[in-house]
Amino acid sequence: DGGITQSPKYLFRKEGQNVTLSCEQNLNHDAMYWYRQDPGQGLRLIYYSQIVNDFQKGDIAEGYSVSREKKESFPLTVTSAQKNPTAFYLCASIRRGGLNTEAFFGQGTRLTVV
Amino acid sequence: AQTVTQSQPEMSVQEAETVTLSCTYDTSESDYYLFWYKQPPSRQMILVIRQEAYKQQNATENRFSVNFQKAAKSFSLKISDSQLGDAAMYFCAYRSGGGSTNAGKSTFGDGTTLTVKP
Repeated sequence: DGGITQSPKYLFRKEGQNVTLSCEQNLNHDAMYWYRQDPGQGLRLIYYSQIVNDFQKGDIAEGYSVSREKKESFPLTVTSAQKNPTAFYLCASIRRGGLNTEAFFGQGTRLTVV
Repeated sequence: AQTVTQSQPEMSVQEAETVTLSCTYDTSESDYYLFWYKQPPSRQMILVIRQEAYKQQNATENRFSVNFQKAAKSFSLKISDSQLGDAAMYFCAYRSGGGSTNAGKSTFGDGTTLTVKP
């Protein structure tokens, strides 16, 4: 079955450490997105990528980095520069030419700094 | 930058009644799309309905319909015959179209938590 997979589901990080969240899709979608969701709040855009080897900053990119070396994969690194990284992270994708179509979302990764 | 505002953090409705969730957005773009998503406690995002900005006709999907007022930059969601399963957090979302310099950028509101009372 086609879908978008985020791993791990839960992630714990010590302060000062970098951590990478995985997002993989087998939907043959071109565009991929990373969002952060804090408790009781909406989704805030971190980074997005329309095609391989290209990505743009979203509204809260500071302290995060991404890569898009393969169409299927869009990993997000939360760096030590991110002041408050504890949050729920969602990855999404949409198909080529599908700006008017629904985004498919992963199940999310809950990151906790300990 | 595009912004999306949902002014109702929480709403409640009696089962079988109708409820309207508000959403306004701010943009200088002419090419864009609007969406409503539902997020139940499982946190899985589910598309409810979508609207192309160039279409004047309001979108409808079964019990869900929108009131799209382009000049006012308003995009409200009406849920008719509310069901217990409609209880969730609802997000309004804006996506820049292909004619925009920010093509594909998607912005969400802060959400409205809908409670359905039996």
